[in-house]
Amino acid sequence: DAGVTQSPTHLIKTRGQQVTLRCSPKSGHDTVSWYQQALGQGPQFIFQYYEEEERQRGNFPDRFSGHQFPNYSSELNVNALLLGDSALYLCASSPAGQDAYGYTFGSGTRLTVV
Amino acid sequence: GQQVMQIPQYQHVQEGEDFTTYCNSSTTLSNIQWYKQRPGGHPVFLIQLVKSGEVKKQKRLTFQFGEAKKNSSLHITATQTTDVGTYFCLHSGTYKYIFGTGTRLKVLA
Repeated sequence: DAGVTQSPTHLIKTRGQQVTLRCSPKSGHDTVSWYQQALGQGPQFIFQYYEEEERQRGNFPDRFSGHQFPNYSSELNVNALLLGDSALYLCASSPAGQDAYGYTFGSGTRLTVV
Repeated sequence: GQQVMQIPQYQHVQEGEDFTTYCNSSTTLSNIQWYKQRPGGHPVFLIQLVKSGEVKKQKRLTFQFGEAKKNSSLHITATQTTDVGTYFCLHSGTYKYIFGTGTRLKVLA
């Protein structure tokens, strides 16, 4: 049973560019959340998708947007990249309404903005 | 905004010693989850606590939720080198998911 799959694993972009990160949730999970984790810090919640809609959002600017597809996979888009966007981007999935089982995280995409 | 603080930030212990990390919030938490993140890895779910004063055990790990539901602790008995990593608490509330600042554990053999 595949866990959460994220692609790509590493990415280097230039300031001002746009980036798209992808996530396939664990089989049986329909809710996808995205987190940003800067080096040495805890993950920061970006947003959560359920039924193809953004259900919840953290304190991130509109440059961060996302999408969820009918097969529950998701994309995170970041426009006008800043140096401060360099971080590990984590995708987490869960079955709707079953928080007691926790969130399953992918291995992340390491984004470096130069 | 709401913050969830963890102490200590770092902890170095000799193998076999005990370890405790504390998660503190200024507001009442509806629940608390604990995760472990190995160096270079991703967070892995350990447990969820919901009830006031709740205590749960997983082998050498003991998790506790405070009576006022404003704090939680994770205690590891007789640490092993496999316990190395950063331990995070997570508050999963309505319209917000807040990770604690994390405690990085290093176990010296």
